[in-house]
Order: sequence, then C-alpha cells, then structure tokens
Amino acid sequence: KAGVTQTPRYLIKTRGQQVTLSCSPISGHRSVSWYQQTPGQGLQFLFEYFSETQRNKGNFPGRFSGRQFSNSRSEMNVSTLELGDSALYLCASSPGLGSYEQYFGPGTRLTVT
Amino acid sequence: KNEVEQSPQNLTAQEGEFITINCSYSVGISALHWLQQHPGGGIVSLFMLSSGKKKHGRLIATINIQEKHSSLHITASHPRDSAVYICASGGGGGADGLTFGKGTHLIIQP
Repeated sequence: KAGVTQTPRYLIKTRGQQVTLSCSPISGHRSVSWYQQTPGQGLQFLFEYFSETQRNKGNFPGRFSGRQFSNSRSEMNVSTLELGDSALYLCASSPGLGSYEQYFGPGTRLTVT
Repeated sequence: KNEVEQSPQNLTAQEGEFITINCSYSVGISALHWLQQHPGGGIVSLFMLSSGKKKHGRLIATINIQEKHSSLHITASHPRDSAVYICASGGGGGADGLTFGKGTHLIIQP
C-alpha cells in the first residue's frame, strides 16, 4: 500500500496570503489528522476529520480550517498568513473508529516571508 | 488536559551504549506513540502501545498504564540512531488528537 502523501512538500508564501495544503491518506483509511510543528511550540494538534466531518479541533485560530472529501483526501487552509505560521505541517491517517494507529506523511514545509 | 513529559531533553552517548528515553503522561489514554524524526526529515512512527512491551529490531518500547509511564530503549546504539524521539499520547480512533512531548534529541557518537 502506498503511504500517506502530502503536497506540496515545500512552499513559500508572503504575509497576508492564503495557502492550501493537501493530504492523501493510506487507501482505506477514513481518518485524517493535521499537526503543526514549530521550533518553539513543538508538535501541536490542529484538527481531525473522519468521513468528511471534523471530529475534533485543537487550539488554533479560525484562520486555520480544513475539510475532507468523500475519497478521504483532506485539505487544510490557512488564510491571512502570519510569519508565525511558518512551520512543518504534518498529516496522519488512521483506519478510523476503534483504531489507535496513526501513519504520518512526510509533511509540508511552509515558509512565510 | 493531558500533559506529556519526556526526559532527558538531550542525550549524547557513545556507539554501542544502551539508551533509555522516558515519557510520562498525566491522564489515562488509549494509546501511546513513539515517533522518530531525523534532522530536516519527516516523522516516522516507531511504536504504538496500549499495554505491555513491543520490540522492533534494536528498539524496545514498554508502557506501564498504572504509572502512566513509557520508556523507549535502544540496544547497541549506532550513529544512525541519532534523531529526535518524540512520545505522544492520545485517544482511540483519532477522536482526540495526539498530545506530544517536546522530544529527546539523541546523538550517538562513533
């Protein structure tokens, strides 16, 4: 089975712009979680989607949003980018209900200038 | 609120040494994960534990649910083991996002 894929792998944006990141989970997995990694805060949970529904959300401002499609692919969007949004964004897929396993993608490195 | 503490934060050891990294969490969980991240690299999931002990090659992970504590051991350490090791705890089925420790920076010198 192919692993979790994320696109793009690297991205440079300017303050005030918006960005959309994509995550394709492992085939058959129905849950996708998103995480942000920064040098100062470490890894933090953004949100989790299961069957196109957001089930849980971390403590991030409304500029961070996401969605999941019927094929389980997920996107996250960050609007009005700030310098502090520069980070590695990771997604992880899970089979879904009753499974604790999470499989991480390679991440998207976002730089905001 | 679940809090995850790792120790040590930094560890430098000689090749061949036995390595132990500890992780404590504050609330009952469904699973604990050990992750590895090489410099500039993505995250690789090493173990997911809900009880007992697991072994993959030279890596061993244990968990004590009653004491809310887990350890990651590396036997016969090698320079390629140099990485950041992160423990993360969370609920089942992805309903609760993972809470991460700050990571242990491990350097194995030849």
